[in-house]
Formats: sequence, structure tokens, C-alpha cells
Amino acid sequence: IAGITQAPTSQILAAGRRMTLRCTQDMRHNAMYWYRQDLGLGLRLIHYSNTAGTTGKGEVPDGYSVSRANTDDFPLTLASAVPSQTSVYFCASSVVASGANVLTFGAGSRLTVL
Amino acid sequence: GQNIDQPTEMTATEGAIVQINCTYQTSGFNGLFWYQQHAGEAPTFLSYNVLDGLEEKGRFSSFLSRSKGYSYLLLKELQMKDSASYLCAVNNDYKLSFGAGTTVTVRA
Repeated sequence: IAGITQAPTSQILAAGRRMTLRCTQDMRHNAMYWYRQDLGLGLRLIHYSNTAGTTGKGEVPDGYSVSRANTDDFPLTLASAVPSQTSVYFCASSVVASGANVLTFGAGSRLTVL
Repeated sequence: GQNIDQPTEMTATEGAIVQINCTYQTSGFNGLFWYQQHAGEAPTFLSYNVLDGLEEKGRFSSFLSRSKGYSYLLLKELQMKDSASYLCAVNNDYKLSFGAGTTVTVRA
């Protein structure tokens, strides 16, 4: 089934550890995004990529890094996790064109940092 | 900066109509989206408005006034399965900024 796959589904992590959340899409979308969702705050953009080889910072990029080596994969790395990074992380993709930029979301990765 | 406001919670009865308002103040505007998110699941696309006026899609309609920075999502003939969070999002330079979401509870 075409769509976006995120891994892991859920993870508990000790503070200070390094963690990479994986995201793969098979829809050949050119743009990909990482959001975090926290209660009362909604979805906030961490990083994005409009095309393979380019990335940009969103609203809350500190403590996170991304890479976009190819069209399909967009991993999100926490170099040294802190408790405030406890959240649900959603990867999304879209076809950036002159019209609507409809995002398709992955199922999410729930991360707990202790 | 982006400022997108919508009510936190709404409750309605099965079969009724509910209107979820969204006001926005953003540095740019390329359209407004509504997404539905059931508890524990990913958001899914509902509607998109880029011009002023009403867009109707079955039981769901969405309205936009760009001059007022205002949109609403209208849910008609409510069903129990419509209990979910509804997210308003503004498209700015092909990046979406989201409001905090409105949790709608449908009661029998």
C-alpha cells in the first residue's frame, strides 16, 4: 500500500542518547516534513525538505537534524535527547506545485525521553 | 510569525450541525486547510480553500474570508464517527502552520 512508513512506532529513550526516527515514502513526493505534536500546542514544524539534497528549518528546529539523500527517505536525528523532546513525531510528504500542498502523514512515532 | 486560533473543544448531538471557527494572522498565505485527526491516529486531509467562499464536500463544508483572516468548517448530520480533532492549517510558502486543534465530541 502506497504511503509513508515511520519507525519506530514507539520508543523510550534515556536523556543524552542519540536517536534517529526513520521516514520512508513511496509516492515520489518531492517535499517531506517533520512535525511534533504536543497536547495543547498542535503540530509544529521541525524541519522540511522541498526536494532531495535540500533541507530547511521550521518553527522548532533546535536539537534536531535531518538529511535528504534521496527522494524517498527523510530521517530525523536527535543528537542528544532531552525530556522536552518527549512528543509524538509525524513525518509527512506532499507534491509541491502551484496548487494545493496536501500533506499525507505517516502514522507517527511516540518518543519518551526520561 | 503565525497565529492560528480555534476553539479547544466542542460538543454536539448526533444528527446536529457543528461549526468550527478558525482565525489566522500569518506572514503569508497560499490557502487554508482543514484536517481530521482521530485519537491516536495521523491527520487526514478534509478540505482546502484558496479563494473566498464556500467549498462543499458531502456532509462537510469549509468557508474562507481572506480579508477577515477567517475560516470555518461545517459538519452536518453529525455521526458518532465524527468525534475527532479538527485542525486548521495555513499554507505559507508551501509549509503548513497548524492551529492547536478543536476536539469535537458527538453524543448520542
